[in-house]
Amino acid sequence: RKEVEQDPGPFNVPEGATVAFNCTYSNSASQSFFWYRQDCRKEPKLLMSVYSSGNEDGRFTAQLNRASQYISLLIRDSKLSDSATYLCVVNTGFQKLVFGTGTRLLVSP
Amino acid sequence: EPEVTQTPSHQVTQMGQEVILRCVPISNHLYFYWYRQILGQKVEFLVSFYNNEISEKSEIFDDQFSVERPDGSNFTLKIRSTKLEDSAMYFCATGQGARNEKLFFGSGTQLSVL
Repeated sequence: RKEVEQDPGPFNVPEGATVAFNCTYSNSASQSFFWYRQDCRKEPKLLMSVYSSGNEDGRFTAQLNRASQYISLLIRDSKLSDSATYLCVVNTGFQKLVFGTGTRLLVSP
Repeated sequence: EPEVTQTPSHQVTQMGQEVILRCVPISNHLYFYWYRQILGQKVEFLVSFYNNEISEKSEIFDDQFSVERPDGSNFTLKIRSTKLEDSAMYFCATGQGARNEKLFFGSGTQLSVL
């Protein structure tokens, strides 16, 4: 089983749509969780951290389910500028981040 | 927002040559990392560095790779004898704390080995 698994997509959605991405991780000892955004051939940028209680930042909501080892990201009211690859990232507790392959989102007018 | 600076942005080299990739961390950051991303693949951890020594490294980071902070500010990744499969985007990242609560990534060095 991959350490961090994501559906690669692409997810094609119209502007204004709500879209959800899921991610599973295999290491139950993982300590912290993040969603990063990566634009084509650019560096990853932190979108948000993910907590068990769930957290929201504007149009973005992230959720963590430790029992199921599952992380989600919900984007409401999609904008054209949301088009990017969304990376699920897990800190396994040994000072390294493990990245998923990413889910590609394409928002069209 | 503070930035991690990487140089060069592109590096082309012949197989078997040595390359040094450079990174200037954010000034008050104590934890430094190198990651790489082969075209079309995921971002992969190479090495973490704290207090002037390697704290963890991946299987990719073999004897051909080394890291150092030669002057207390720059953080470098050296590949002694490059192979074709070393072609990738190399990202430097830095953070304040050990738990990677927020990592700042540089814009990367695209290494092409011919």
